Amino acid sequence: EIVMTQSPATLSVSPGERATLSCRASQSVNNKLAWYQQKPGQAPRLLISDASTRATGIPARFSGSGSGTEFTLTISSLQSEDFAIYYCQQYHNWPPWTFGQGTKVEIK
Amino acid sequence: QVHLVESGGGVVQPGRSLRLSCAASGFTFSFYGMHWARQAPGKGLEWVAIIPSNGGSIYYADSVKGRFTISRDDSKNAMYLQMNSLRTEDTAVYYCARDQSGRFDPWGQGTLVTVSS
Repeated sequence: EIVMTQSPATLSVSPGERATLSCRASQSVNNKLAWYQQKPGQAPRLLISDASTRATGIPARFSGSGSGTEFTLTISSLQSEDFAIYYCQQYHNWPPWTFGQGTKVEIK
Repeated sequence: QVHLVESGGGVVQPGRSLRLSCAASGFTFSFYGMHWARQAPGKGLEWVAIIPSNGGSIYYADSVKGRFTISRDDSKNAMYLQMNSLRTEDTAVYYCARDQSGRFDPWGQGTLVTVSS
């Protein structure tokens, strides 16, 4: 089973600033890595797939990078609606499909 | 517009059973594999099971294997999760999600299952 590890657990950022979230896989997942956003009381929403491809309707301030075992989600200028929990997920080696434990982006 | 709606959650005693449903609309349901995933209170996301389209292998997480059964009825655009021998650690919001080549997109709004005596 591929273990996904996200850091930091919590990221405190001021509106308008950049946020950088990390995700590490226990073995290579090539580029089969997705990022999801989850707001309180809501279902997760797909942001990024194949490590760097934004899903339909996702603003350009969200970008993904990386391959192999190290990945990054960058939010270039945080808006109020971006404060949420972000999860990475690998879909290279399954079952199981595995998620990281999440990074909470909170208002500084 | 693609829409997934879960139902069937509730409070159940340990050892009892519950059946969840996922109603799909806005896409050709029979063409897609479908997942169940769950989220315990205050915790992260955990994949539970997948049922492919048009046959193929069904898979379960080790934590539910032998207790949960996933199924689908393409004539009704619906998927189900039969949960038997429920444990307190099965308490979670259960989501259905469409499989998009390994990605989960979209997700339903979830249904809460509480296992408690």
